[in-house]
Amino acid sequence: DIQLTQSPSFLSASIGDRVTMTCRASQAISIYLGWYQQKPGKAPQLLIYAASTLQNGVPSRFSGSGSGTEFTLTISSLQPEDFATYYCQNLRSYPPHSFGPGTKLEIK
Amino acid sequence: QVQLVESGGGLVQPGRSLRLSCTASGFTFNAYGVQWVRQAPGKGLQWVATVWSDGTNEFYEDSLRGRFTISSDNSKTTMYLQMTSVGVEDTGVYFCARVISFAGGRGVYFDLSGQGTLVTVSS
Repeated sequence: DIQLTQSPSFLSASIGDRVTMTCRASQAISIYLGWYQQKPGKAPQLLIYAASTLQNGVPSRFSGSGSGTEFTLTISSLQPEDFATYYCQNLRSYPPHSFGPGTKLEIK
Repeated sequence: QVQLVESGGGLVQPGRSLRLSCTASGFTFNAYGVQWVRQAPGKGLQWVATVWSDGTNEFYEDSLRGRFTISSDNSKTTMYLQMTSVGVEDTGVYFCARVISFAGGRGVYFDLSGQGTLVTVSS
């Protein structure tokens, strides 16, 4: 089964910073990776699918890249509403549709 | 209004069964697949199961297969997650989500989820 790891587990940054987080897959999954944002007590929200396709309505400061086994999510200029936990997910149609353990983005 | 609403959570004793519901509104229910995701208190997201829009395929997380079963009632635009022989490890918030395929069906993602329903397994 495909396992996803995320780094770092915790990330501390300031408003306006550019931040990057990584998701690695235990085997190649082409571009079939998604990124979700979750705030406390809320459902996860899709940010990016197919590694780099921005979901409708998601601000353009979010971007994704990568293919195969290594993927990144970048926020170009942090806004107050971006402090949350970010999860990657295997989106290959054949499961498991496992999630990574998450990166918690906190205010410095 | 396009939405999914989960229900059916609550306190359940270990070893018992529970059925969660996910009711859709505002979109064509049977045109989309459904995914269940859960989150134990203070923990990350865990994929539970995915079913295709045409119902031809159901996939379950390996450790849950055999205890959890998905079914649907199109007339009620509702998807169900039947949980049997529950244990304390099944405690958490359960989300259902609308699944969309892309890349000619080679990929899937969920773009809409409900607010979740809390399941607490305790004696």
